[in-house]
Amino acid sequence: AQKVTQAQTEISVVEKEDVTLDCVYETRDTTYYLFWYKQPPSGELVFLIRRNSFDEQNEISGRYSWNFQKSTSSFNFTITASQVVDSAVYFCALSGTLLYNFNKFYFGSGTKLNVKP
Amino acid sequence: EAQVTQNPRYLITVTGKKLTVTCSQNMNHEYMSWYRQDPGLGLRQIYYSMNVEVTDKGDVPEGYKVSRKEKRNFPLILESPSPNQTSLYFCASSFATSGKFYNEQFFGPGTRLTVL
Repeated sequence: AQKVTQAQTEISVVEKEDVTLDCVYETRDTTYYLFWYKQPPSGELVFLIRRNSFDEQNEISGRYSWNFQKSTSSFNFTITASQVVDSAVYFCALSGTLLYNFNKFYFGSGTKLNVKP
Repeated sequence: EAQVTQNPRYLITVTGKKLTVTCSQNMNHEYMSWYRQDPGLGLRQIYYSMNVEVTDKGDVPEGYKVSRKEKRNFPLILESPSPNQTSLYFCASSFATSGKFYNEQFFGPGTRLTVL
């Protein structure tokens, strides 16, 4: 069965600290996609990143970086030098591909990040 | 502007009173989905549709109905709402092409439903 686990329910940091949000997934599919979304207090879902199961390269985008390790079924998200605007709920998600399970999306329970000034 | 719209954005209703949450997209997407978001559970898929007149159950379909009579619209119907359907609901749409194997979902703004 497909499953995404975000064990950290809530994290609080002080501005400028680095923080890592953990995501562990389970799937029997050989090909799949992983995603991170941000949900700010206003409630909308903001797409952050997508990674396919064949691409284990880490990715960096400004202060954001993602570490995908297939061996441990993890797709962790690090925010460097956190800012108050990073305060949000972050969701990790798993989906199939065009070839299989394309319409099935599985979200983790989310991690609420509080960044204090 | 490409977007997914949901109406209403907020709704308070009473147990048993039928309601419909509308979802519309202007991107000509084939795929559409409904999710509910609950604290500690994240988003869970209710129903999805692959095209007009083609729908299938997600993980939590009980108590919900959907229809897809037009490509742009995918309403969520609660025939007899109950308090356990109090939740934040999101509609999403996406499309598939041979050059894109992933499902890039465009989410609506959400509908907050309270059933008393």
